[in-house]
Amino acid sequence: EAEVAQSPRYKITEKSQAVAFWCDPISGHATLYWYRQILGQGPELLVQFQDESVVDDSQLPKDRFSAERLKGVDSTLKIQPAELGDSAMYLCASSSTRDNPYEQYFGPGTRLTVT
Amino acid sequence: AQSVTQPDIHITVSEGASLELRCNYSYGATPYLFWYVQSPGQGLQLLLKYFSGDTLVQGIKGFEAEFKRSQSSFNLRKPSVHWSDAAEYFCAVGAREYGNKLVFGAGTILRVKS
Repeated sequence: EAEVAQSPRYKITEKSQAVAFWCDPISGHATLYWYRQILGQGPELLVQFQDESVVDDSQLPKDRFSAERLKGVDSTLKIQPAELGDSAMYLCASSSTRDNPYEQYFGPGTRLTVT
Repeated sequence: AQSVTQPDIHITVSEGASLELRCNYSYGATPYLFWYVQSPGQGLQLLLKYFSGDTLVQGIKGFEAEFKRSQSSFNLRKPSVHWSDAAEYFCAVGAREYGNKLVFGAGTILRVKS
């Protein structure tokens, strides 16, 4: 069964350092989402891609966060510089625009700890 | 603004007992509704979804949910809970009018006692 892949699974970094997360969606899924989940809360959308284009980044802190999906397949989310408040789980999800565009499939997440 | 409320932060039930997790939403468009489950340190797994049609939907692992438009609710139920059901459960709402973006509730942690 196809799955969304994410790496690394865990990342510990010091504040002010740069950190990057990678996501490989299910093959053929044109829509890719990055969510941030703070402990004790539900996931919150950071950025949504349709192919290589950003369609929603209204909740992305653009002064320190950036996201790209250059070839419309895999994606990278970067934080520079990291702050203590960035400690969270970062989840990637994908959906198909053809089969069932409203159903999102989630990866295992990257747990970020900023010290 | 779109919002999802899960009023119960924690719920504890005995193994074999029935379960109902509550979800209420506020949305300006015809909603699509989802329940996801998350085990500690893991991603989210889809339990069930409602798009249209029959308001009682069946999902995986013996779960079901009922959409009640008049109450803006989408409560999750299971007739007999198993110890392996202990996890955190999230209700989510989306709509085509909002680009299929999902808005999640804060989650309900389910504990199962033997």
